[in-house]
Amino acid sequence: GQQVMQIPQYQHVQEGEDFTTYCNSSTTLSNIQWYKQRPGGHPVFLIQLVKSGEVKKQKRLTFQFGEAKKNSSLHITATQTTDVGTYFCAGSENTGNQFYFGTGTSLTVIP
Amino acid sequence: DAGITQSPRHKVTETGTPVTLRCHQTENHRYMYWYRQDPGHGLRLIHYSYGVKDTDKGEVSDGYSVSRSKTEDFLLTLESATSSQTSVYFCAISGTSGPVEQFFGPGTRLTVL
Repeated sequence: GQQVMQIPQYQHVQEGEDFTTYCNSSTTLSNIQWYKQRPGGHPVFLIQLVKSGEVKKQKRLTFQFGEAKKNSSLHITATQTTDVGTYFCAGSENTGNQFYFGTGTSLTVIP
Repeated sequence: DAGITQSPRHKVTETGTPVTLRCHQTENHRYMYWYRQDPGHGLRLIHYSYGVKDTDKGEVSDGYSVSRSKTEDFLLTLESATSSQTSVYFCAISGTSGPVEQFFGPGTRLTVL
């Protein structure tokens, strides 16, 4: 079955440093989504990427979808304590509604 | 936040007992999902529904059943709970067909002793 791997599993950064999490799929994806989950909370949708090579930005967050549509990344510039949480990618193989979530990257920001 | 509630929010039960978790939405969304979240595994899809009485299995459906008799309610049943089903269960909804964002409920923490 499809597997979506995410690295690193944990990341500790000093406030102001950059952060990147990577998502890799064993199969070609039709689209990929990113979610953020604060400690003790529920996943919250951040963005969806659909096109090969697509890059989207949300303020300090930059999302990329690989040319082969098998990998994606989330980059945060100049982290803040409000960025703390676990970031998940979720990929779908087709236009259906079944998404496979990555294992998540837990981000800790040290003030 | 989207109008999604889950009940109960916390439950402790014993091995072999039946357990039903409820997801209720006020958004009239077509799609509803049940996920479980475990350390090191992320979120894994158990079952999902694409309409009233229309459901399908996800990647970890063994030991679970679901029912959807009304648009707003999606029930997850563990017929005979096992310790391996100790987890946090999230319900999610999405509005239309095709890949769109999912809105998650607050979660239910289930402990099976």
